[in-house]
Amino acid sequence: GQSLEQPSEVTAVEGAIVQINCTYQTSGFYGLSWYQQHDGGAPTFLSYNALDGLEETGRFSSFLSRSDSYGYLLLQELQMKDSASYFCAVSGAGSYQLTFGKGTKLSVIP
Amino acid sequence: DAGVIQSPRHEVTEMGQEVTLRCKPISGHNSLFWYRQTMMRGLELLIYFNNNVPIDDSGMPEDRFSAKMPNASFSTLKIQPSEPRDSAVYFCASRNLAGGPNEQFFGPGTRLTVL
Repeated sequence: GQSLEQPSEVTAVEGAIVQINCTYQTSGFYGLSWYQQHDGGAPTFLSYNALDGLEETGRFSSFLSRSDSYGYLLLQELQMKDSASYFCAVSGAGSYQLTFGKGTKLSVIP
Repeated sequence: DAGVIQSPRHEVTEMGQEVTLRCKPISGHNSLFWYRQTMMRGLELLIYFNNNVPIDDSGMPEDRFSAKMPNASFSTLKIQPSEPRDSAVYFCASRNLAGGPNEQFFGPGTRLTVL
């Protein structure tokens, strides 16, 4: 089976940097994805890591350590519109399906 | 591209009634996923199809749930009979199997309320 752990809530100040951690346990691992979901909206893809290291996409970066079964999403220069839930998700080897964590609700305050 | 299309967007029904949710994936995508999202259980995969063939339905909660994909541009998720505990947001997502970094494209969801 697969299980993921991430904090349920995080609060950060506009303009600051926030890191959302994700640890996972899985019987087979292919990659770690991150999705963003605004209230009332649909999840949207942010990033994907299959190899160890940091992937950067604009203000967002994602990191993976396969040996530690750990990853994080880093959001820089926080904006009010970044207030949303962020989900990590793992995909297993040979499988196209994703198993999602319970999500981290990020609140950006002025 | 119109993105993934789901209908209806909202559905309110009474316990015992049949509910049918519909999904049109992005044109050219050959993998389709049905998810259910609740506060308690989060985002759960119910079933997914590759090239219109069901690959894994182990997430379907019970026999009251069924899903079909008669062609590459249409899928349904049916609940019969519905129960109050089925109340949730149901998302459909699609992707191209030959695509990049495991990105799934989600539809807007159907918010189901069973009274």
